Amino acid sequence: EAEVAQSPRYKITEKSQAVAFWCDPISGHATLYWYRQILGQGPELLVQFQDESVVDDSQLPKDRFSAERLKGVDSTLKIQPAELGDSAMYLCASSLEGMETQYFGPGTRLLVL
Amino acid sequence: AQKITQTQPGMFVQEKEAVTLDCTYDTSDPSYGLFWYKQPSSGEMIFLIYQGSYDQQNATEGRYSLNFQKARKSANLVISASQLGDSAMYFCAMFPPGDSNYQLIWGAGTKLIIKP
Repeated sequence: EAEVAQSPRYKITEKSQAVAFWCDPISGHATLYWYRQILGQGPELLVQFQDESVVDDSQLPKDRFSAERLKGVDSTLKIQPAELGDSAMYLCASSLEGMETQYFGPGTRLLVL
Repeated sequence: AQKITQTQPGMFVQEKEAVTLDCTYDTSDPSYGLFWYKQPSSGEMIFLIYQGSYDQQNATEGRYSLNFQKARKSANLVISASQLGDSAMYFCAMFPPGDSNYQLIWGAGTKLIIKP
């Protein structure tokens, strides 16, 4: 069964360091989402891609976060510099097209010390 | 404003009993979609079931069914014959109408614990 892949699964870093997360969506899925989830809360959308184009990054803290999906397949989310408040679960999801069901990867747990 | 409300922060249920998780939504548009996801402690968000607003019948997927009451704007998830592995967070989400980006609106979640 096709799955969304994410790496790393866990990341511990010190504040002010740079971190990067990778996501490989289900093959053929045009829409890719990055979410941030604080423990005990629902996911918060950070950025949405349609193929290689950004559809919405209005909730992405652009002073420190960046995201790219250069060839319209896999994607990277970067934080530089990391802050204590960035500690969270980062989830990647993909859908065939925007209106279809979103399927999620296993997530990356980030801890900033 | 379009909104999803899950009023049960946590639930304890005896193994093998049926479980109903509540979800109400707020929209005035006739066209929308509703989803339920399960999130175990491992963190992965697992898609369970979908209900479209124009679907005539309530959605079912194995032990999961959706009790869709359009007039009451509720889309409760029913889990039959609960198992220990059902212990997890459960999120209700909606595709809001009129949003061409199809971004989900999420509820706050319900933490379900199945007791042996």
